[in-house]
Amino acid sequence: EVQLVESGGGLVQPGRSLRLSCAASGFTFEDYAMHWVRQAPGKGLEWVSGISGNSGTIGYADSVKGRFTISRDNAKNSLYLQMNSLRVEDTALYYCVKDIDAFDIWGQGTMVTVSS
Amino acid sequence: EIVMTQSPATLSVSPGERATLSCRASQSVSSNLAWYQQKPGQPPRLLIHGASTRATGIPARFSGSGSGTEFTLTISSLQSEDFAVYYCQQYNNWPYTFGQGTKLEIK
Repeated sequence: EVQLVESGGGLVQPGRSLRLSCAASGFTFEDYAMHWVRQAPGKGLEWVSGISGNSGTIGYADSVKGRFTISRDNAKNSLYLQMNSLRVEDTALYYCVKDIDAFDIWGQGTMVTVSS
Repeated sequence: EIVMTQSPATLSVSPGERATLSCRASQSVSSNLAWYQQKPGQPPRLLIHGASTRATGIPARFSGSGSGTEFTLTISSLQSEDFAVYYCQQYNNWPYTFGQGTKLEIK
């Protein structure tokens, strides 16, 4: 079964850091680009960042550029998102997503709450 | 950044009727357009990719059309389980962008 399981969310103060992880299973992880998509409470979907299978291509939304860093470890079938200088507006459910051009597999998400 | 605009924001339709949802891109995205369905408390589910190709396991009552800047998702005969929020997404260029969503509600 193809599965993505996120972890690492929690409550954090503004300005602090958090690292999200996504464990992938059921497919050849290195063959696919992967992304992080977030959804603020009661709001729509926002693409955050993406990374190609060999990590050669990486992209970020303007809203997180310079603060967030995406990475992957193909040997561990894992995707990561290092989030620094967190802001209140980064509060959201963060989804790990598999890319077949469109996003065919989504995890259940991990909640990040930025609040003092 | 490509801006995706969905209309209407809310659509009220009776079960068994047809629903038509629209999505417009601020510049051409070719056929690199996907539709997702999201129900409360669940992650989005891919319905359509390549503007018109149904994803695995998606019923035939869901169909997509369009190319360039204008796209449509049609649900031919609404079932109770179809009432949800629907998002379009372009994956022609990074940053990939989503529309703001259309809430399909029971009339």
